[in-house]
Amino acid sequence: DGGITQSPKYLFRKEGQNVTLSCEQNLNHDAMYWYRQDPGQGLRLIYYSQIVNDFQKGDIAEGYSVSREKKESFPLTVTSAQKNPTAFYLCASSIGRARGNQPQHFGDGTRLSIL
Amino acid sequence: GQQLNQSPQSMFIQEGEDVSMNCTSSSIFNTWLWYKQDPGEGPVLLIALYKAGELTSNGRLTAQFGITRKDSFLNISASIPSDVGIYFCAGLDTGGFKTIFGAGTRLFVKA
Repeated sequence: DGGITQSPKYLFRKEGQNVTLSCEQNLNHDAMYWYRQDPGQGLRLIYYSQIVNDFQKGDIAEGYSVSREKKESFPLTVTSAQKNPTAFYLCASSIGRARGNQPQHFGDGTRLSIL
Repeated sequence: GQQLNQSPQSMFIQEGEDVSMNCTSSSIFNTWLWYKQDPGEGPVLLIALYKAGELTSNGRLTAQFGITRKDSFLNISASIPSDVGIYFCAGLDTGGFKTIFGAGTRLFVKA
C-alpha cells in the first residue's frame, strides 16, 4: 500500500547529541514537510521541500536540518542546538504545486524525548 | 502571518449528540481541509473543500467552505466513542503551497 513511513516510532536523545528522524514516501509526491507538535498544541512547520535537492525553512527551523537527495526521502536531523527537542514530529507529503493545490498526507509520527 | 482561529478548543459530549466546530481566518483560502488525529498517530484527512459555498459529506461528517472563503465548519452527527480525538482545520494559502493549521478541537465522547 502507498503511504508515508516514519521511523523510529520512539526516539531518545542525550544532551549534546544529534539525532535523525526518517521519513519515506512511496506516493510519488513531489512535496514533503516536517512539523513539530507539542502537547495540546497544533502543528508548526519546521522545513519543507517542493522538489528534490531543494528545501526551505518553515516557521521554527532553528536547531534543525534536512536533506532531500531522493524524491521519496526527507530525513530531519535534530541538532544539539535545539534546546527543547522533546515533541511529536510529523512528516507529510503532497502531490506538489505544479499539479494543483492538494492536501498533505501524514505519517504516524516520531516521539522524541530527551534523556 | 496567516492564522486560523479554531473553536471550540475542546468539547465534552454524550454519545449520540451532534457536534459542530468551526474555523475562521482574516485571510482568504482557496482550499479548506479537515483532519482528525487519534492519540499517538498522525492526522488523517477527513474532508477537502475546493470551492466557496461547497458542502461536502463523508458519512456522519459534513463540512462547508464559507462563501467569503474565510471560514469553514465541520459537523459530526450522532457521535460515537471512536469520534474521540483532535480535529484540525487547515487552509491552503492562495499561493497554493503552504498549509496553515488551526490549533485543533479536542473532542471527548462519553458512552
